[in-house]
Amino acid sequence: GQQLNQSPQSMFIQEGEDVSMNCTSSSIFNTWLWYKQDPGEGPVLLIALYKAGELTSNGRLTAQFGITRKDSFLNISASIPSDVGIYFCAGGDRTGSWGKLQFGAGTQVVVTP
Amino acid sequence: SQTIHQWPATLVQPVGSPLSLECTVEGTSNPNLYWYRQAAGRGLQLLFYSVGIGQISSEVPQNLSASRPQDRQFILSSKKLLLSDSGFYLCAWSPPSGTQYFGPGTRLTVL
Repeated sequence: GQQLNQSPQSMFIQEGEDVSMNCTSSSIFNTWLWYKQDPGEGPVLLIALYKAGELTSNGRLTAQFGITRKDSFLNISASIPSDVGIYFCAGGDRTGSWGKLQFGAGTQVVVTP
Repeated sequence: SQTIHQWPATLVQPVGSPLSLECTVEGTSNPNLYWYRQAAGRGLQLLFYSVGIGQISSEVPQNLSASRPQDRQFILSSKKLLLSDSGFYLCAWSPPSGTQYFGPGTRLTVL
């Protein structure tokens, strides 16, 4: 089930603007993941974070693993129309024998030209 | 490289009919496998996971079951579908204790 608080739920932005979204949890995670889902398709992994304080970039995307291990944020710089979609955060625990993830409810991003 | 396939891509079934969705993974061995359901394009609900052949754990009691007859094959089944079983079903794989990678999904509509 979902125990992460992801915000905002939706964003309407103009092309070229920067986007920021975040996830918070009451639990500590040792993995934070960010996915993007296009309509009718499976989520695609954007960025994986494995260490508290880690800041990782993937093109125009930047994500950080919060120092408390209870939060993470994703930034998209200079948005373009293809950034439209739903972005999900996921927190995980890699210490077990399998990688169960808890997902946020998603942030829907709409980009207008 | 690893790839994950789901079949079929879309399915329309009457209430009370059986269900079988298939997920296969290529390019890796002994993956952890997962079935999720997504309603209305938001929210991922974990249904089942498997750490090996014949090993299935259920997260949510329901009308569905899962099986893993081969290392890289994961099947989601139902004997009698309910209207509430409609949704987008996603299969995912991960290396042990690793990041999950999703398949393309199956859109199920129960009428």
